[in-house]
Amino acid sequence: ILNVEQSPQSLHVQEGDSTNFTCSFPSSNFYALHWYRWETAKSPEALFVMTLNGDEKKKGRISATLNTKEGYSYLYIKGSQPEDSATYLCAFLWGNWALIFGKGTTLSVSS
Amino acid sequence: EAGVTQFPSHSVIEKGQTVTLRCDPISGHDNLYWYRRVMGKEIKFLLHFVKESKQDESGMPNNRFLAERTGGTYSTLKVQPAELEDSGVYFCASSRQGDSPLHFGNGTRLTVT
Repeated sequence: ILNVEQSPQSLHVQEGDSTNFTCSFPSSNFYALHWYRWETAKSPEALFVMTLNGDEKKKGRISATLNTKEGYSYLYIKGSQPEDSATYLCAFLWGNWALIFGKGTTLSVSS
Repeated sequence: EAGVTQFPSHSVIEKGQTVTLRCDPISGHDNLYWYRRVMGKEIKFLLHFVKESKQDESGMPNNRFLAERTGGTYSTLKVQPAELEDSGVYFCASSRQGDSPLHFGNGTRLTVT
């Protein structure tokens, strides 16, 4: 059974704080690692698709790194804003092209 | 381009009834996925189509669930007969290639009473 683990489960920070979350996935049969942002009452939106070991992606204040050999990815948010409040999902793409999601990290940013 | 659309947005049915959910993917997207979120928990994979073929249906909970994708275009997910534990939000997503980001629909909220 494929397991994608995300930690922490939830996080509460103050506006302006920088934060990071972890996604752990199987290191074998790796094809890609996705990050999605999911706001309440909306549908998930793609942030990054990462495929190569050592990949680093950036979109505004959000960035992500990938280590396929040890099976983890970090998502960083610099200078958190209230509008960053959402659940951040990572998903592991494995050999059968099925995208398996973790349980997510729910971020709450207070102003 | 039009996004992934799902119909209906909400459905309330009684236990034992049948419900059919529909998903129209983005035009040209060969990959179509069904996911389910139950009781505010994580998104659980149900199945994956590549064009009209079922690539992986290992996440389908039991034989009360039947998914089809006619001609590789829209997809339907039928639950028959519905049980209380089937309540949740059913998301459809599509992608152009197997390793492309998914585009999600707004989901169908199913309530079985």
